[in-house]
Amino acid sequence: GAGVSQSPRYKVAKRGQDVALRCDPISGHVSLFWYQQALGQGPEFLTYFQNEAQLDKSGLPSDRFFAERPEGSVSTLKIQRTQQEDSAVYLCASSVRGGRALYEQYFGPGTRLTVT
Amino acid sequence: KQEVTQIPAALSVPEGENLVLNCSFTDSAIYNLQWFRQDPGKGLTSLLLIQSSQREQTSGRLNASLDKSSGRSTLYIAASQPGDSATYLCAAKGLTGGGNKLTFGTGTQLKVEL
Repeated sequence: GAGVSQSPRYKVAKRGQDVALRCDPISGHVSLFWYQQALGQGPEFLTYFQNEAQLDKSGLPSDRFFAERPEGSVSTLKIQRTQQEDSAVYLCASSVRGGRALYEQYFGPGTRLTVT
Repeated sequence: KQEVTQIPAALSVPEGENLVLNCSFTDSAIYNLQWFRQDPGKGLTSLLLIQSSQREQTSGRLNASLDKSSGRSTLYIAASQPGDSATYLCAAKGLTGGGNKLTFGTGTQLKVEL
């Protein structure tokens, strides 16, 4: 079946613009995660959803970052008033279950955001 | 707070060589340890997942081991091939403090030369 998809794959934004990044998880996957990967670094956790509930947003770097998953499937990560330090690859992952379950996370190809 | 470190940061080997990538983590209270591969401009591909109760996992030419007490995992690649060239990331899934998330290392960039 189809894997995790993300759109757009590339986004160039001028500093101060708002952007919206979309994630389509694997069908039926309950859990959805967003990660931020700066150049040359490993991904860092941003936020986690179980169905439509955002259970952990401890990794969001500022209140300019906002994520939603209103119907428990597609998720959108929104960044308001983008700054140059927001330039990174944003990765989305989904897994069958969440919580304390020992399930793998499957990753999408990412959206590369460049803020000029 | 969990911290994950990978050594070396970069590695270049001739084709056919066996090699070991190292991963260390500071908090041994983990659910599992996962190894990923990342090709340039691509997302992450899961290679192996070791549950906290396991010592190792094998898939083809790959073998991953886990020593929770010492906070270490290794990824062994046998008979390396140019197609193995990629960045390898390890990630720990913690028991506490947001047990749903993965904490990643910074990766080992591997180049296998002909």
